[in-house]
Amino acid sequence: DSGVTQTPKHLITATGQRVTLRCSPRSGDLSVYWYQQSLDQGLQFLIQYYNGEERAKGNILERFSAQQFPDLHSELNLSSLELGDSALYFCASSVESSGSHEQYFGPGTRLTVT
Amino acid sequence: SQQGEEDPQALSIQEGENATMNCSYKTSINNLQWYRQNSGRGLVHLILIRSNEREKHSGRLRVTLDTSKKSSSLLITASRAADTASYFCAPIPAYSGAGSYQLTFGKGTKLSVIP
Repeated sequence: DSGVTQTPKHLITATGQRVTLRCSPRSGDLSVYWYQQSLDQGLQFLIQYYNGEERAKGNILERFSAQQFPDLHSELNLSSLELGDSALYFCASSVESSGSHEQYFGPGTRLTVT
Repeated sequence: SQQGEEDPQALSIQEGENATMNCSYKTSINNLQWYRQNSGRGLVHLILIRSNEREKHSGRLRVTLDTSKKSSSLLITASRAADTASYFCAPIPAYSGAGSYQLTFGKGTKLSVIP
């Protein structure tokens, strides 16, 4: 158990809908990262937050947005869903943001868009 | 960020044998991290080796780093069926910029350990 929790575990929804994925980092970790893993694209970085502020953006679509709240949990919002958004979404946390420490991954949310 | 490239893409061995997988990268690094992913599960951090280290051990894992060749290897000794997983390396650039960094993964090495 990494100490990172993600809810829900599974999500099935229709195209055009909007969903929110939630992540709680390990106690004491200030940085949260979101990753998307699909069969054709592999594991890709989406976005990073550190202590409530956005720090880095990766291959995140404009239809996707995220935020980190004062209690450090984070939410990833996916809207106007398309079939191609079906994937595993992971969040990870680390104690800081400089890259000198490992990231701890949550169990993921499996999103299926029908 | 930069992506590590793992080799081989797939490796199948008998239980008890050693497994070696390699990682190559392109630019100077601060450190290099190895992760394991069991099918459909989250990644698990295995080991972090800093740019000034040449070798590091953790249980049955041995990681080496050759910064002159920009390569790293992960050795799993006396493998077990439970080691069956995909293994990824993540090189962390020497300068990530703006106090941010993200892990960039390649396709990984898919290890199958046959009982």
